[in-house]
Amino acid sequence: DIQMTQSPSFLSASVGDRVTITCRASQTITGYLNWYLQKPGKAPKLLIHDASGLQSGVPSRFSGGGSGTDYSLTISSLQPEDFATYFCQHSHGNPPTFGQGTRLEIK
Amino acid sequence: EVQLVESGGGLIQPGRSLRLSCAASGFTFEDYAMHWVRQVPGKGLEWVSSLSGDSGRLDYAESVKGRFSISRDNAKNSLYLQMNNLRPEDTALYYCARPRSNSPYDKNFLYWGQGTLVTVSS
Repeated sequence: DIQMTQSPSFLSASVGDRVTITCRASQTITGYLNWYLQKPGKAPKLLIHDASGLQSGVPSRFSGGGSGTDYSLTISSLQPEDFATYFCQHSHGNPPTFGQGTRLEIK
Repeated sequence: EVQLVESGGGLIQPGRSLRLSCAASGFTFEDYAMHWVRQVPGKGLEWVSSLSGDSGRLDYAESVKGRFSISRDNAKNSLYLQMNNLRPEDTALYYCARPRSNSPYDKNFLYWGQGTLVTVSS
């Protein structure tokens, strides 16, 4: 199975900050990388698909990039509603696996 | 509006069986592969199983292979997960999820239910 490693596991930031979360796959996943946001008690929400595709309805302050084994999610200017847990997930064959999550908290 | 509503969770003893259901609406159910994903509360996400729209292709995580069985009834717009020989490590919130597109290879999970909690404990 492809292992997904996110960093950092925990991030403290302020409203208006620019933050970047990274995800590394144990082998190349050729751009098949998704990012989700999850708030307590809610299901995950798809933000970015296929490394850089902004899902319809997601604010443009979210962007994704990367290739090969290394990917990133950037939030250009944090808003109060962005404080949540973020997961990456590869969709390069089976089984699709998730990163362990990055918890983003208000400083 | 796409809706996915899971049911069937509960407290169950180790070794027993449980069947989860997912009722889908707002889209042409038979056109989409469907998936089960689970999450230990407060922890990470684990893909469990998937089933193609025509039930011709199914896949399982190694952790559940031989114990869980996925199925669907397109006439009832419903997805199921039969879970046998349950273990404490199966304790989790179980979500059904639909991909963005009707490609059988799409694993970009756009729509999720609210989840149904399965607790395996004596």
